[in-house]
Amino acid sequence: AQSVTQPDIHITVSEGASLELRCNYSYGATPYLFWYVQSPGQGLQLLLKYFSGDTLVQGIKGFEAEFKRSQSSFNLRKPSVHWSDAAEYFCAVGDHNNAGNMLTFGGGTRLMVKP
Amino acid sequence: DAGVIQSPRHEVTEMGQEVTLRCKPISGHNSLFWYRQTMMRGLELLIYFNNNVPIDDSGMPEDRFSAKMPNASFSTLKIQPSEPRDSAVYFCASRPGQGDGNTIYFGEGSWLTVV
Repeated sequence: AQSVTQPDIHITVSEGASLELRCNYSYGATPYLFWYVQSPGQGLQLLLKYFSGDTLVQGIKGFEAEFKRSQSSFNLRKPSVHWSDAAEYFCAVGDHNNAGNMLTFGGGTRLMVKP
Repeated sequence: DAGVIQSPRHEVTEMGQEVTLRCKPISGHNSLFWYRQTMMRGLELLIYFNNNVPIDDSGMPEDRFSAKMPNASFSTLKIQPSEPRDSAVYFCASRPGQGDGNTIYFGEGSWLTVV
């Protein structure tokens, strides 16, 4: 069974600092990988996704993520954090079978941004 | 394009009452998902439909929960009778189909409180 681990439950960074949120997955083949962001009181918004090809993917709001097969990781990065980035971030893995419908989420990382 | 539309956004109800949550998926999407989000368990897939047919309801917690999708543009999640432990955010999500891989688009959620 597939699984996703986000080791950091909370992260605090200063505005303007760089950010890296960690995500490790377990899956028997090349997975579909996603990062979603959830602002308070809102639903989940897709930031970026990896299906195949270039292992460095660009997303919205200046985010990027890199798929590293050897480390089973898909870490999310941003070079300079803005106060509006404060939210909860979810990594997810989807399988290629079962019509691709089994999306498994990590537990989330709550990002706080200091002024 | 309108996103996934859920109603009600917030509901407070008394234990024992019936709760019906509603969802309108994005037009043209052929898969629909119901997720539940709690602090303790994170995001859990309750059930998903493909072309209006329930495919996997193994995540539905118990017989008090039921979901229907009478047509491609509407789904309901019903809890009868409701209990305080059902308090959570319930997300509906939809997916366009194989052409977009596993990308799932979420609604803004229905915040349910059972007192």
